[in-house]
Amino acid sequence: LAKTTQPISMDSYEGQEVNITCSHNNIATNDYITWYQQFPSQGPRFIIQGYKTKVTNEVASLFIPADRKSSTLSLPRVSLSDTAVYYCLVGPTLNYGGSQGNLIFGKGTKLSVKP
Amino acid sequence: EAQVTQNPRYLITVTGKKLTVTCSQNMNHEYMSWYRQDPGLGLRQIYYSMNVEVTDKGDVPEGYKVSRKEKRNFPLILESPSPNQTSLYFCASSLSGLAVTGELFFGEGSRLTVL
Repeated sequence: LAKTTQPISMDSYEGQEVNITCSHNNIATNDYITWYQQFPSQGPRFIIQGYKTKVTNEVASLFIPADRKSSTLSLPRVSLSDTAVYYCLVGPTLNYGGSQGNLIFGKGTKLSVKP
Repeated sequence: EAQVTQNPRYLITVTGKKLTVTCSQNMNHEYMSWYRQDPGLGLRQIYYSMNVEVTDKGDVPEGYKVSRKEKRNFPLILESPSPNQTSLYFCASSLSGLAVTGELFFGEGSRLTVL
């Protein structure tokens, strides 16, 4: 199972672009990379998912280099409401061998956006 | 409205008194899972279920039981709760366990205190 490593915390100011990097050195060929956002006392919610290169949606971009051993979540022009914990999730693999549903979230990155 | 519903949202109980936290989803999802969240430890998976009658252990299953008799319900059972099970619990569901489907939908959480 691919484990992930993220910075524990990051600070930013309103209007800046924020990049949060996640390391996943033992990512498997069939693993996808997914990012979730969590506000205090709420369940996480899906932000973006990708396999390789770049994915963009209305709230974020996800950059994945060719070796896929890391990924970067990019939040353009953050606001105070983007203050949250961000989780990088890798997997599961497509081998139906019992670990398919075992998801490892890690400890996340606490982003604080200041005015 | 598509949602994952957990009950109770808040519970204070005493050591050894059996309790059940219910989880229900109305999206016809095959995959359901339980997580606990503790300060500094992020989200850790307790159990997951790929489909009806199919359940498997996550990373921290000790002291918990689950059942999946119906597709929509996935209760978490604490047969003999102990203080170290004081935590914030989340239930989540997904169309399938495969990452290709992208999104995990989380409930609002159940805050459990065991005295």
